[in-house]
Amino acid sequence: QVQLVESGGGVVQPGRSLRLSCAASGFAFSTYGMHWVRQAPGKGLEWVALIWYDGSNKYYADSVKGRFTISRGNSKNTLYLQMNSLRAEDTAMYYCARDQFGGIAVSGAYGMDVWGQGTTVTVSS
Amino acid sequence: EIVLTQSPGTLSLSPGERATLSCRASQSVRSSYLAWYQQKPGQAPRLLIYGASSRATGIPDRFSGSGSGTDFTLTISRLEPEDFAVYYCQQYGSSPLLTFGGGTKVEIK
Repeated sequence: QVQLVESGGGVVQPGRSLRLSCAASGFAFSTYGMHWVRQAPGKGLEWVALIWYDGSNKYYADSVKGRFTISRGNSKNTLYLQMNSLRAEDTAMYYCARDQFGGIAVSGAYGMDVWGQGTTVTVSS
Repeated sequence: EIVLTQSPGTLSLSPGERATLSCRASQSVRSSYLAWYQQKPGQAPRLLIYGASSRATGIPDRFSGSGSGTDFTLTISRLEPEDFAVYYCQQYGSSPLLTFGGGTKVEIK
């Protein structure tokens, strides 16, 4: 079945780094744009980053631009989020999510139809 | 920066009633690239509506979306017990590329 499984979360001190992974299965990963979305405890959803199906374009929320890097390994069916210079306000559940339509569809325009269960990142000293 | 404002913050209704949720954008949403999601406690969000009015695969027809420009609405025609949750709108196209609204909680009255 179509599935996304995140890993790599944990407790980290402010200023340190962490890399999240999202393993995809059950679909042609290399043909879909992919997102990271986060949710701080008790708060709403915040889009973090988008990468096109082939990795050729990447987009970021202003709150993470210059600190986070989204990437993908299509041969490994895996999405990544490298998070540097972490701050307390980065504490959240991090979800990976798939564009609803793959192929040549405008990446990000038609919603995210498959989500992982999330991985928790806590930034605290 | 485009801001999505959802109202009301909380909607208290009984099963069988009609729910009307609003999402207002600070600027016109490009090509009605507006989606709605449902999120239940401890779960990931679920895509309900995309393109402002198209239902995602497997979504019951009691859920409908409408609107364009800056004003969008999600309607649940008759609330089922499983519909009590938080609902988010999300736009694509304006800097930042994607943004979510703050959410509307639909709770049992």
